Amino acid sequence: QQQVKQSPQSLIVQKGGISIINCAYENTAFDYFPWYQQFPGKGPALLIAIRPDVSEKKEGRFTISFNKSAKQFSLHIMDSQPGDSATYFCAASMETSGSRLTFGEGTQLTVNP
Amino acid sequence: ETGVTQTPRHLVMGMTNKKSLKCEQHLGHNAMYWYKQSAKKPLELMFVYNFKEQTENNSVPSRFSPECPNSSHLFLHLHTLQPEDSALYLCASSQGQGIDYGYTFGSGTRLTVV
Repeated sequence: QQQVKQSPQSLIVQKGGISIINCAYENTAFDYFPWYQQFPGKGPALLIAIRPDVSEKKEGRFTISFNKSAKQFSLHIMDSQPGDSATYFCAASMETSGSRLTFGEGTQLTVNP
Repeated sequence: ETGVTQTPRHLVMGMTNKKSLKCEQHLGHNAMYWYKQSAKKPLELMFVYNFKEQTENNSVPSRFSPECPNSSHLFLHLHTLQPEDSALYLCASSQGQGIDYGYTFGSGTRLTVV
């Protein structure tokens, strides 16, 4: 059973544009929502994470928006750059399961110059 | 270098072969994980070790056998695999098992079963 659903599967954005990737979850016990970035030939790397007690978290050009009532969260990449081209994974975890992460299917982002 | 090293980077094996994947972390972390990454599918958790003890086996077939001799090393022993087992196998580590501990992933082993 897929507990974290991610969309779109792929995304093409022009340089300087805004990239938006969405995730929806089912389990209301989830209380930690990280995003991972994966470049070809590399493992995923933690990009930014949020807890449900805040609705938004910003780090540089990357922002997570969180809607607890809708059980949705999204990653916004402002001023997208070709170097942002990678696969992005959302994930969710709950305190009672330790750091066990449930991942979304991934979004392949391409930023054209 | 991410601090989590996986070898080999690529592996081609026949269905009757026995091979092992190795993971080593230099971060002083206490928890280690094996994940399977297949195209267009979510990362699938396979095994979790905390302080060398296996704490989770996510219904993984017995043809995959993990081993964790110490907190820095993790192995995945493979035997009698099937073509559908072809995937990227990722090792990760974390300081502990609380949710604030982010994972550090290795670059993975690309496994092809022929």
